Amino acid sequence: AQKVTQAQTEISVVEKEDVTLDCVYETRDTTYYLFWYKQPPSGELVFLIRRNSFDEQNEISGRYSWNFQKSTSSFNFTITASQVVDSAVYFCALILNQAGTALIFGKGTTLSVSS
Amino acid sequence: KAGVTQTPRYLIKTRGQQVTLSCSPISGHRSVSWYQQTPGQGLQFLFEYFSETQRNKGNFPGRFSGRQFSNSRSEMNVSTLELGDSALYLCASSLGTTRGGELFFGEGSRLTVL
Repeated sequence: AQKVTQAQTEISVVEKEDVTLDCVYETRDTTYYLFWYKQPPSGELVFLIRRNSFDEQNEISGRYSWNFQKSTSSFNFTITASQVVDSAVYFCALILNQAGTALIFGKGTTLSVSS
Repeated sequence: KAGVTQTPRYLIKTRGQQVTLSCSPISGHRSVSWYQQTPGQGLQFLFEYFSETQRNKGNFPGRFSGRQFSNSRSEMNVSTLELGDSALYLCASSLGTTRGGELFFGEGSRLTVL
């Protein structure tokens, strides 16, 4: 069975702190895609990153970085120098190659950044 | 470029009624997916439509149905509403032609069942 686990339910940090959101996934498939989405209070899910199972390169985009490790089935997300605008719910998700657009989401991590 | 538009944004129904939600995808996108978000179950995939055909379906009862029109707009319908159907219903659009492609989500329709 496929599963995504985000063990951290809520995280609170002070502005400018670095924070890492953990994501562990389970699948027996060899071809799959991993995603991170951000959900602000408005409700829509905002795409942050997509990674396929054959690309283990880490990625950095501004203050955001992602660490994908197949050996530990993890796809962690780090925000450097957090800002109040980063406050949101963050979801990690998995799609199997044959599953079309059927994302399997984790339960999400609520990040609160205070000034 | 206009994003994904969902209507209505908020609605209140009573048990036993039915509801229809609408989703207009990004222009040029042919795939529309629907998700249900509840505090208890989180985000769950309902179904996907591509070129007016249901291409994939999640594990929901037959009370949940959908369709897609030739202009790619999609509707989902929930019949015989139950209290547990109270949720945020999110629509996502994508090109639908590449595996694992990026999904663009709307702001959702928040349904309350009394």
